[in-house]
Amino acid sequence: EDQVTQSPEALRLQEGESSSLNCSYTVSGLRGLFWYRQDPGKGPEFLFTLYSAGEEKEKERLKATLTKKESFLHITAPKPEDSATYLCAVPTTDSWGKLQFGAGTQVVVTP
Amino acid sequence: SAVISQKPSRDICQRGTSLTIQCQVDSQVTMMFWYRQQPGQSLTLIATANQGSEATYESGFVIDKFPISRPNLTFSTLTVSNMSPEDSSIYLCSVTGTGGLYEQYFGPGTRLTVT
Repeated sequence: EDQVTQSPEALRLQEGESSSLNCSYTVSGLRGLFWYRQDPGKGPEFLFTLYSAGEEKEKERLKATLTKKESFLHITAPKPEDSATYLCAVPTTDSWGKLQFGAGTQVVVTP
Repeated sequence: SAVISQKPSRDICQRGTSLTIQCQVDSQVTMMFWYRQQPGQSLTLIATANQGSEATYESGFVIDKFPISRPNLTFSTLTVSNMSPEDSSIYLCSVTGTGGLYEQYFGPGTRLTVT
């Protein structure tokens, strides 16, 4: 069964304090791993797609990396506006188009 | 990526009634999906909205409870029927993008509260 596990569940950071979020997955034949940012009461905002081990993508203070078993989202020198829930997702093997989401990591950055 | 809008953005409904949620995309898209996000939970796929044919439902979701229409390549509706408080959730539509085969982009969501 395809599974996506995110850790930690919640992360509280001081402004400027860098940290990493983890997304581990078990799926046969990975067809991509997606990171999203979700603000309260809003739809997920697409951030990155990673397709193969060793791949890295960057956007402002965010950097996503991928290994054969997990992905990391690094937040460098975060600002309060980086506060959000970060979700990772993978396409499942049993249903075309279905994304299996992790539970998310809620990040709070305080000034 | 496509611009996706949903109506209504939120609603409070009485149990036993039904609500239809609209999803409009600013360009033609092949695949449209409907997700549910229960309070404090992650996203769960309800169904794939197929243009010109019946929607494909995931395990645990049935057409009688969540009828879906997809009359063209830019529009879909999801109806939540005979609502109960357990249906209180955020309902999201998503579409596949042009950048990657499996990438999905989400609408702003409809926050439904059933009293």
